Amino acid sequence: DTAVSQTPKYLVTQMGNDKSIKCEQNLGHDTMYWYKQDSKKFLKIMFSYNNKELIINETVPNRFSPKSPDKAHLNLHINSLELGDSAVYFCASSPYRGVTDTQYFGPGTRLTVL
Amino acid sequence: SQQGEEDPQALSIQEGENATMNCSYKTSINNLQWYRQNSGRGLVHLILIRSNEREKLSGRLRVTLDTSKKSSSLLITASRAADTASYFCATANTGTASKLTFGTGTRLQVTL
Repeated sequence: DTAVSQTPKYLVTQMGNDKSIKCEQNLGHDTMYWYKQDSKKFLKIMFSYNNKELIINETVPNRFSPKSPDKAHLNLHINSLELGDSAVYFCASSPYRGVTDTQYFGPGTRLTVL
Repeated sequence: SQQGEEDPQALSIQEGENATMNCSYKTSINNLQWYRQNSGRGLVHLILIRSNEREKLSGRLRVTLDTSKKSSSLLITASRAADTASYFCATANTGTASKLTFGTGTRLQVTL
């Protein structure tokens, strides 16, 4: 009965590789998000999709590409990984596109780039 | 730039005591939310207070909002060891629909 799930939970990879993180929500929400949490616990939004449409695209290198095959899934693909990409990536969802209400977070994916 | 600044950065109290965390922000908001993050876990929503509200209660939690000072506080009464976590405020800013801007967080340690 997991609400927002992410895979994998841990990802260790070499610099220059390409990797993907998957996110699924079974809450029936219309909006999904990707956040990055750095080593100082600072949480910053990266992208948001509403019903498969990109609505927020923060200043993120274009090596990061989100993809939403349907409104229940939002995946994050990262090309040419760099050391600075090491962080915890969180997926979240919320019911509405408008004024932001409660967001429901996944457990996070800890990415380590060596 | 980062929206919310929280203080203290870290707080250590004994079980049964109250814990107060503060959050300041810079722009107009639609609402302000508080989240808890246990170590190694995702964030969990605690409480939401809208810009036209001044106080919100939920169990042992009390949130206040002062829009004139652009600040909010979270009070946890009768704390328990299980309250040990990081607490974040997040603002839904006017004009930036669908986006939350998170504060720096307060690390709360509750000891027995």
